Amino acid sequence: AQKVTQAQTEISVVEKEDVTLDCVYETRDTTYYLFWYKQPPSGELVFLIRRNSFDEQNEISGRYSWNFQKSTSSFNFTITASQVVDSAVYFCALSDLIQGAQKLVFGQGTRLTINP
Amino acid sequence: GAGVSQTPSNKVTEKGKYVELRCDPISGHTALYWYRQSLGQGPEFLIYFQGTGAADDSGLPNDRFFAVRPEGSVSTLKIQRTERGDSAVYLCASSSWGNEQFFGPGTRLTVL
Repeated sequence: AQKVTQAQTEISVVEKEDVTLDCVYETRDTTYYLFWYKQPPSGELVFLIRRNSFDEQNEISGRYSWNFQKSTSSFNFTITASQVVDSAVYFCALSDLIQGAQKLVFGQGTRLTINP
Repeated sequence: GAGVSQTPSNKVTEKGKYVELRCDPISGHTALYWYRQSLGQGPEFLIYFQGTGAADDSGLPNDRFFAVRPEGSVSTLKIQRTERGDSAVYLCASSSWGNEQFFGPGTRLTVL
């Protein structure tokens, strides 16, 4: 069975600090996808990134970066120079791909608070 | 363009009543998903459709839950004989073939 673990329940930092959100996953599939979603106080899940299991290149998008390491089954997310608007709950998720669809298995989420 | 929409945004009902939750996916998206999110938890998969058919309903908790997507677009999640434990936010998402899911704002269901 697939499983995603986000061990950090809550993180609180001061604005402009860097912060890393951890994600560890379990799957028996050789082909799978990893995701990060952001859930701001408004409640709507916002897609941030998708990576497939064959692509271990790290990715950077502005202040966001992702570190995918198959050897440790981890897909960590770093926010550089955090801002108050980054405050949200962040979810890591895992899926396979069957018939063009992806059934997401989510972690418990990490509540990130950026204090001014 | 328009995103995924869900109605109602909030629904309060009494134990034992029947409820319907509606999802309008992004136009052209063939896959539609339902998830349920309890307070302080990550979303949990319920069911997904590829076109009109339910491709995987393994996440539905019991036979009181049912979903349809008769014309391959709008979907309705139906819950019979609601129980207090059904209280949660019900999320709908849609995707085009092989691509990431986009979520709606959710319907907050409260069963009294």
